[in-house]
Amino acid sequence: AQKVTQAQTEISVVEKEDVTLDCVYETRDTTYYLFWYKQPPSGELVFLIRRNSFDEQNEISGRYSWNFQKSTSSFNFTITASQVVDSAVYFCALGGGSQGNLIFGKGTKLSVKP
Amino acid sequence: GAVVSQHPSRVICKSGTSVKIECRSLDFQATTMFWYRQFPKQSLMLMATSNEGSKATYEQGVEKDKFLINHASLTLSTLTVTSAHPEDSSFYICSARDFGGLQIDYLLTTKNIQYFGAGTRLSVL
Repeated sequence: AQKVTQAQTEISVVEKEDVTLDCVYETRDTTYYLFWYKQPPSGELVFLIRRNSFDEQNEISGRYSWNFQKSTSSFNFTITASQVVDSAVYFCALGGGSQGNLIFGKGTKLSVKP
Repeated sequence: GAVVSQHPSRVICKSGTSVKIECRSLDFQATTMFWYRQFPKQSLMLMATSNEGSKATYEQGVEKDKFLINHASLTLSTLTVTSAHPEDSSFYICSARDFGGLQIDYLLTTKNIQYFGAGTRLSVL
């Protein structure tokens, strides 16, 4: 069975702090892909990153970075120098199969205080 | 990224009425669209997968006669909540998969990403 676990329900940090959001996944598929989405209070999901299972290179995009480790089935997301605008719920998701449906974690609510 | 438009953003209706929600991919063709439901402070639960020109595939426990899905074109899918009741009140969100063309080795395509609409908050009185 496929499963995504985001153990951190809520995280609160002060602006400019670094914060890491954890994501652990389970799948029996040998090929799959992982996503991170941001859901601000407005409700829409904003795509942040997609990573294929055969590409373990870490990625950095501005203040965002992602650490994908197949050995531990983890795909963690780090925000450096957090800002108030980063406050949102962040979802990690696992995808596989030709239909492309996603399995979402329960999300981590990040609150960045000024 | 690609744009998915979902309309309406909010609807309030009386119990027993039907509500139609539209999901459009604005700058790409989406052979597959997905409908999710999200309860307050919870994750997204897939309701159904909508394929253009064929019947939708519903997840276990989702009433297909209650939640009618139509995907008549490559850019439009609709979800109709029939005879809505207060327990149907929720946040409904659609996504469209930007496949980027040919379904060959989908994992290697730079696309194959689901882009989400802004969601529809349904309140049934």
